[in-house]
Amino acid sequence: GQNIDQPTEMTATEGAIVQINCTYQTSGFNGLFWYQQHAGEAPTFLSYNVLDGLEEKGRFSSFLSRSKGYSYLLLKELQMKDSASYLCAVRDRGSNYQLIWGAGTKLIIKP
Amino acid sequence: GAGVSQSPSNKVTEKGKDVELRCDPISGHTALYWYRQRLGQGLEFLIYFQGNSAPDKSGLPSDRFSAERTGESVSTLTIQRTQQEDSAVYLCASSGLGTQEKLFFGSGTQLSVL
Repeated sequence: GQNIDQPTEMTATEGAIVQINCTYQTSGFNGLFWYQQHAGEAPTFLSYNVLDGLEEKGRFSSFLSRSKGYSYLLLKELQMKDSASYLCAVRDRGSNYQLIWGAGTKLIIKP
Repeated sequence: GAGVSQSPSNKVTEKGKDVELRCDPISGHTALYWYRQRLGQGLEFLIYFQGNSAPDKSGLPSDRFSAERTGESVSTLTIQRTQQEDSAVYLCASSGLGTQEKLFFGSGTQLSVL
């Protein structure tokens, strides 16, 4: 079956680094997305990985290991505005290329 | 428009009433998706449009839910005889090249069924 797991909630300190993990099981992996969703707002695109390795984009980086069914989102130099939910989604060939979504990780940044 | 627009932003209705939710995708985007998000939960796929046709309706939870799209643009999601369990945020998203591109989301419609 299809399954996406990520922690429900994490807390980190302003200026620090935090890593949000996502593990997945799908029948036909075809790419992994990370989205950010502030409370009461629409999800916005952060990153996309389809090959193994690290994709860096400013303060945010995303890593993928297809053999392990594992990804993480790394946020550096945390700012208060980074407080949001982070959604992991996997595109699945077995589901007509639809995105299968995790429940999201709520990140709380403390001063 | 510049982004995906949804209306209304909030809708409060009584159990048993019908509601209609509207989505205006980004101009030129051929793919359009409806999702439901209950409080504290992930996105639940409802339906996907490619142009005006819906090749994947597998997520619609019951026959009370229906959706249509016209002119490869505006889409409406209709919920008939609403139930309290229909209370959720309904998100619309569009993308440029079908299922291969990233999604752009609207701000959603918060539906509350009393």
